[in-house]
Amino acid sequence: ETGVTQSPTHLIKTRGQQVTLRCSSQSGHNTVSWYQQALGQGPQFIFQYYREEENGRGNFPPRFSGLQFPNYSSELNVNALELDDSALYLCASSLDGTGLSDTQYFGPGTRLTVL
Amino acid sequence: KNEVEQSPQNLTAQEGEFITINCSYSVGISALHWLQQHPGGGIVSLFMLSSGKKKHGRLIATINIQEKHSSLHITASHPRDSAVYICAVLSTGNQFYFGTGTSLTVIP
Repeated sequence: ETGVTQSPTHLIKTRGQQVTLRCSSQSGHNTVSWYQQALGQGPQFIFQYYREEENGRGNFPPRFSGLQFPNYSSELNVNALELDDSALYLCASSLDGTGLSDTQYFGPGTRLTVL
Repeated sequence: KNEVEQSPQNLTAQEGEFITINCSYSVGISALHWLQQHPGGGIVSLFMLSSGKKKHGRLIATINIQEKHSSLHITASHPRDSAVYICAVLSTGNQFYFGTGTSLTVIP
C-alpha cells in the first residue's frame, strides 16, 4: 500500500470529449508525476509538478494539462480525446526534488478507454 | 531507437531458478529505477540506483555507469515474483525514460 490513490479506477469516453483524472498523493509529498501506459508498453512520462508548478514535461501535446493543489492532490486533464489516448494513466508521488531521483510511490492507475 | 532497452522481453523460469533481467540506456542519467508491475497495473518501486549495487531480500540490482547498463537479479525465484519488471531512468536533462518491461513468469 503506497498511500497514493487515483480516481476513477476506469472510465469510458468518446472521441472529442474531455476527461479529468485525479490523484491523491501521500501527505508531505511535494512532487507528483503523471505517466501514460499503453497496453503492452512501458510508461511514458507526461509531466511533473512540484509545489503546484509544472517542472518537467514529456513529449505530449498541450491538450494534456495538469494541476497540483496544496492538499497533495492533483489532476490530469485531457481535452479533445483521441482513440490513441486509451491507456492506463499512472500518477506517482515523491517527497521532494526531481521525481525519479527520489523513490516514487505509484498509484493503482486509471484505465481510460476512448471509443 | 528507445533510450532504454530491456532484455529479455519475456522470460519463463522454474521455481527456484536464478533470474537476470538486463537494462541498457543511451543517455546520461542521474538515477535508475527498477519497478515491478503486477497484472491490473499496480507499480512498486523496487530499487533506485545511481552507482554500485543494492540488495533487498532475494532481489539484487547492479549498475555500471561507464557501460550504461544495469541488471536486476532474482535469486531462488518464486511464482509470486511473476510480474512485469520495468527499468526507468532520469536523464541528466531531467527527462524520464522507461523500458518496455520484461514479463516474468515463474512456474511452480
